[in-house]
Amino acid sequence: DAGITQSPRHKVTETGTPVTLRCHQTENHRYMYWYRQDPGHGLRLIHYSYGVKDTDKGEVSDGYSVSRSKTEDFLLTLESATSSQTSVYFCAISDNRGNSPLHFGNGTRLTVT
Amino acid sequence: AQSVTQPDIHITVSEGASLELRCNYSYGATPYLFWYVQSPGQGLQLLLKYFSGDTLVQGIKGFEAEFKRSQSSFNLRKPSVHWSDAAEYFCAVGNTGNQFYFGTGTSLTVIP
Repeated sequence: DAGITQSPRHKVTETGTPVTLRCHQTENHRYMYWYRQDPGHGLRLIHYSYGVKDTDKGEVSDGYSVSRSKTEDFLLTLESATSSQTSVYFCAISDNRGNSPLHFGNGTRLTVT
Repeated sequence: AQSVTQPDIHITVSEGASLELRCNYSYGATPYLFWYVQSPGQGLQLLLKYFSGDTLVQGIKGFEAEFKRSQSSFNLRKPSVHWSDAAEYFCAVGNTGNQFYFGTGTSLTVIP
């Protein structure tokens, strides 16, 4: 299995508080992604990174920001959490080859009360 | 724009029966196609992938998928389902820019 660690695995937070989720990889892959998974929607891309300090928005980026200061770490921040951001968040990685598949972490279950 | 459609939200099959999960994609060029499986509380595991060449690809756990360009489909099949195959299955399409798009998933229930 690809070396991808997400932390925390579970988190409960209150509306309006900031939250940061961490993804750490040991594969030295160039690309890193944050997805959210919700019933009936499958996986939707929030943000992705194609290198250190290089990031771009996905289809559901509003309310989220990301940072990548090192190849191995990709942080997802909810500046002010809302109940609509209650979800399961998955980090994924892919190497530099165009046909390389995604490899996923085990997810973070976030509940915003 | 790329998109993936999985028409079946939920499928129930008997153990030992054959299985086919449908996937249709929209993409202008030759796609990179993937099937993933997700067990409850777990991340997604790659079952198989198609990039080029033979349109019938073999994957792990006895699964196979066939790419049909004329139908824009990449259906997943297994000749004999086991109870442990109960899970959610996702089809995905990727492009040369390392962007990936997922279907909404098909939940598989296996009855004894």
